Amino acid sequence: DAGVIQSPRHEVTEMGQEVTLRCKPISGHDYLFWYRQTMMRGLELLIYFNNNVPIDDSGMPEDRFSAKMPNASFSTLKIQPSEPRDSAVYFCASSLAGLRDFFGQGTRLTVV
Amino acid sequence: GESVGLHLPTLSVQEGDNSIINCAYSNSASDYFIWYKQESGKGPQFIIDIRSNMDKRQGQRVTVLLNKTVKHLSLQIAATQPGDSAVYFCAEKTGANSKLTFGKGITLSVRP
Repeated sequence: DAGVIQSPRHEVTEMGQEVTLRCKPISGHDYLFWYRQTMMRGLELLIYFNNNVPIDDSGMPEDRFSAKMPNASFSTLKIQPSEPRDSAVYFCASSLAGLRDFFGQGTRLTVV
Repeated sequence: GESVGLHLPTLSVQEGDNSIINCAYSNSASDYFIWYKQESGKGPQFIIDIRSNMDKRQGQRVTVLLNKTVKHLSLQIAATQPGDSAVYFCAEKTGANSKLTFGKGITLSVRP
């Protein structure tokens, strides 16, 4: 099993540009989570899906952030327009029945 | 609001000694707890979990203890090795809500 796969691993973009982060969960998992990690705020849950349906998006900071899960094997997190304060490491995680969330390696986003 | 917190920001131990990492949680309704290990540049890695109907669970070199009376969780690592150096997070879930709440993390440093 390849685990949770995220791409890209690193992204540097200019303020105002659109950024799309991608995630492939572990096959068979029915929950998918997007987290953001910063030194100041630690790990924050942004949104999670169950069976491809968004369940809780209360952690999404602003309307500039959106997430989709068109099928069980793919999800995207989009930031449009991006701002320097969005710079962070973004993690995707998946789990079966909500237990033992497994994390990807993360995408390090830098907005300049 | 409810939160999961860690007592100490850093812990330094001698190689070969046992390590104990502590965590306090404030949501008495939490019924599932997980310990994660995060190495530099990587995503959080699942170590061990415990449900609230248990007070102890053992894995390979690790033991998790849960004291629901005082809402305290601990991770014990036997014979600590240099490879155990990382940031450790406790996290909790509550009932049918599959959203993990993470503590701020504690750094474990192993002295050779």
